[in-house]
Amino acid sequence: KAGVTQTPRYLIKTRGQQVTLSCSPISGHRSVSWYQQTPGQGLQFLFEYFSETQRNKGNFPGRFSGRQFSNSRSEMNVSTLELGDSALYLCASSPGPSSTEAFFGQGTRLTVV
Amino acid sequence: QKEVEQDPGPLSVPEGAIVSLNCTYSNSAFQYFMWYRQYSRKGPELLMYTYSSGNKEDGRFTAQVDKSSKYISLFIRDSQPSDSATYLCAMRGNTGNQFYFGTGTSLTVIP
Repeated sequence: KAGVTQTPRYLIKTRGQQVTLSCSPISGHRSVSWYQQTPGQGLQFLFEYFSETQRNKGNFPGRFSGRQFSNSRSEMNVSTLELGDSALYLCASSPGPSSTEAFFGQGTRLTVV
Repeated sequence: QKEVEQDPGPLSVPEGAIVSLNCTYSNSAFQYFMWYRQYSRKGPELLMYTYSSGNKEDGRFTAQVDKSSKYISLFIRDSQPSDSATYLCAMRGNTGNQFYFGTGTSLTVIP
């Protein structure tokens, strides 16, 4: 059974640009959550999608957005990039809307210069 | 104050030692408690989860939850060099998939 796939693995962007990250969850899983991981703050929750609907959103500015498609794949978008957006972005896959387990992908390392 | 506090370490122990990792939290609504292991340049890997208070054992790993003290622990027995990683505690309430994470404890097991 394939795990969680995140693409791309690495990205370098310039301040002011926008970026789109992709996540394919484990087959059969319908919930996808996104987290930002930085050395100082650890993992911080961005948002959660289930059945193409955003169910929960963390305390991030509106520049961070996401969506989920009918096949459960998810994308997150960050517009007007800032230096502080440099982080590891992790996607977590869960079977349903209230799961005891969340399985993470390897993440996308975003560097903003 | 962060909702989940975790000592970042680093923690360095000799092979075969018993390791104790801990987290405290402030939100009494948390019901599910997880421990993840993260190797360098990898995503977090789920080790164990526990519901409410109590102990859970899986091989060399034991998770403990004390809800009255808002304190959770992970014990690693007979630690191995392959256990060297960052350990993250995580927790959530009764519904939803929003997990609250500690910042992680870096562990090195010396052969």
